[in-house]
Amino acid sequence: SAVISQKPSRDICQRGTSLTIQCQVDSQVTMMFWYRQQPGQSLTLIATANQGSEATYESGFVIDKFPISRPNLTFSTLTVSNMSPEDSSIYLCSVSKLGQDYNEQFFGPGTRLTVL
Amino acid sequence: GQNIDQPTEMTATEGAIVQINCTYQTSGFNGLFWYQQHAGEAPTFLSYNVLDGLEEKGRFSSFLSRSKGYSYLLLKELQMKDSASYLCAVLTSNYQLIWGAGTKLIIKP
Repeated sequence: SAVISQKPSRDICQRGTSLTIQCQVDSQVTMMFWYRQQPGQSLTLIATANQGSEATYESGFVIDKFPISRPNLTFSTLTVSNMSPEDSSIYLCSVSKLGQDYNEQFFGPGTRLTVL
Repeated sequence: GQNIDQPTEMTATEGAIVQINCTYQTSGFNGLFWYQQHAGEAPTFLSYNVLDGLEEKGRFSSFLSRSKGYSYLLLKELQMKDSASYLCAVLTSNYQLIWGAGTKLIIKP
């Protein structure tokens, strides 16, 4: 398994500003992912954070809006840039370890973002 | 395209049994997951199926039929704490996890 922490746990931000969310894992992992979850909705994958290279973004998400860093195998950041109220959501970091019998994803506690 | 379908909401009675279905159409298949998510919390892993058949784990069981693109999660002896959303997710051939919209389960006394 993996223990994942996220900072901040919640924030209220003004329109037009940016927020950087940190994800820290207690062990080295192969894959790190960033999800968004709107209230009452399921998970939407934003991107896969790749160590040492640019993140892989899903359709509808771009690097200018959601820049991601992954400097090592235990840490990643997601920045929500030039925020608008539509960005209000829960942002979740998840990790998986390839090479296990199956690629279970473990989730961090999430960051609850409200944009005014 | 890729698609996972689950009922939006289900209601059941404490002590009873409930079955939550999931059907999928994906590009390849490397397994199916069920996750539980309580309101305001992160999803937590419940089960994984990659071969056809039933996997039992305490009060929870999960079934898979790959030929039918179908799975279900069976919850027995329901407790109030089982009230949560249950998410079905399929791992595709390129190890991408495709998520269903989730089934909100309401348990009544």
